[in-house]
Amino acid sequence: NAGVMQNPRHLVRRRGQEARLRCSPMKGHSHVYWYRQLPEEGLKFMVYLQKENIIDESGMPKERFSAEFPKEGPSILRIQQVVRGDSAAYFCASSRDGWDTEAFFGQGTRLTVV
Amino acid sequence: SQKIEQNSEALNIQEGKTATLTCNYTNYSPAYLQWYRQDPGRGPVFLLLIRENEKEKRKERLKVTFDTTLKQSLFHITASQPADSATYLCALDKVGGSQGNLIFGKGTKLSVKP
Repeated sequence: NAGVMQNPRHLVRRRGQEARLRCSPMKGHSHVYWYRQLPEEGLKFMVYLQKENIIDESGMPKERFSAEFPKEGPSILRIQQVVRGDSAAYFCASSRDGWDTEAFFGQGTRLTVV
Repeated sequence: SQKIEQNSEALNIQEGKTATLTCNYTNYSPAYLQWYRQDPGRGPVFLLLIRENEKEKRKERLKVTFDTTLKQSLFHITASQPADSATYLCALDKVGGSQGNLIFGKGTKLSVKP
């Protein structure tokens, strides 16, 4: 059973471009969470999704950021018109049921905006 | 607002000793608290979860305590080994947030010297 798979591992984008980050949860997991980790900062919650539904997006910036978890395929975190401040490590986690049991993180995507 | 603090940014100990890491929180009574391990360039790995009605939980060489009066959790690694060197994060559920919306501390970087 493969773990949570994120790709790409590293992504370089110029200011103004779009970034698409993908997350395939563990087999049998229908809950996906996205977190962002800035250098020297703690992990910050962005969004929680279940299949085809956004459950909690309270941590996601209102503009330029969107997330989806379609019925088929990976979850996608999309950042439009990237700025330097978007440079960070973006982690996805998944769980079978609620997070108060156990959640598994992927290895992250490191986004660098130049 | 909720705050979570880990006692120190770095902790250096000798192999074989017990490492004790502290996590303090304010303005909240979490339903549960979790500890994670994060190695450089990797995603966090879940270690232990302790609920508000539990005083202590153990897993192999790991022990977590949860004092809701002091608003503090202690994380112990007994008989520490160089392989235990990593950053350890504590996290608690966010008041009013969904079950995947956790607040993470900035972490304590543990170095175990041989």
